Amino acid sequence: QKEVEQDPGPLSVPEGAIVSLNCTYSNSAFQYFMWYRQYSRKGPELLMYTYSSGNKEDGRFTAQVDKSSKYISLFIRDSQPSDSATYLCAMSSNSGGSNYKLTFGKGTLLTVNP
Amino acid sequence: NAGVMQNPRHLVRRRGQEARLRCSPMKGHSHVYWYRQLPEEGLKFMVYLQKENIIDESGMPKERFSAEFPKEGPSILRIQQVVRGDSAAYFCASSPIGQGVTGELFFGEGSRLTVL
Repeated sequence: QKEVEQDPGPLSVPEGAIVSLNCTYSNSAFQYFMWYRQYSRKGPELLMYTYSSGNKEDGRFTAQVDKSSKYISLFIRDSQPSDSATYLCAMSSNSGGSNYKLTFGKGTLLTVNP
Repeated sequence: NAGVMQNPRHLVRRRGQEARLRCSPMKGHSHVYWYRQLPEEGLKFMVYLQKENIIDESGMPKERFSAEFPKEGPSILRIQQVVRGDSAAYFCASSPIGQGVTGELFFGEGSRLTVL
């Protein structure tokens, strides 16, 4: 079993839709959870960062972490064509101070159609 | 542009040649990380460096790969005697504080290596 599983999609939605992106993981030591957005041929851009369980909201984006289920989600409200990108989940533990060693999902390709 | 700067953005090498990838961290950041993204794979950690020190190279292939972050100048990822399997996007990231804080990394736009 891979440490982090993410459905690669592709996911295609109409403009204005609510988008739900998810990852599951197997390593219970993970404490830091991130979502990155990566446009084609560009570097990952940090969107959301969450420590441990709970929800975090930033504008149209909401990140949720359920450590008991080892499941994280990113919700995008009122999706826009400019949200079209690959979304990567990433996570790390603080084992030995190695929180910099992110484990990434393979990414979900999202297209928002005008 | 105060972001993480990587160059070259694209590099083509023939098998057996050397590839050198450079990374300048964000202003105020002194910690550099290299990640590799193989086709159809997620990003994988390679190495973590601070100025003049390799902190963690547990993700680096045992042979042909090396990294440095000198006191002056950019961090360099060096791949000797490249093979086709080295074709990938190599991303550099930086952070202002290293171990034990947040794990938030800021990535550059990547260097895409193609080995012919």
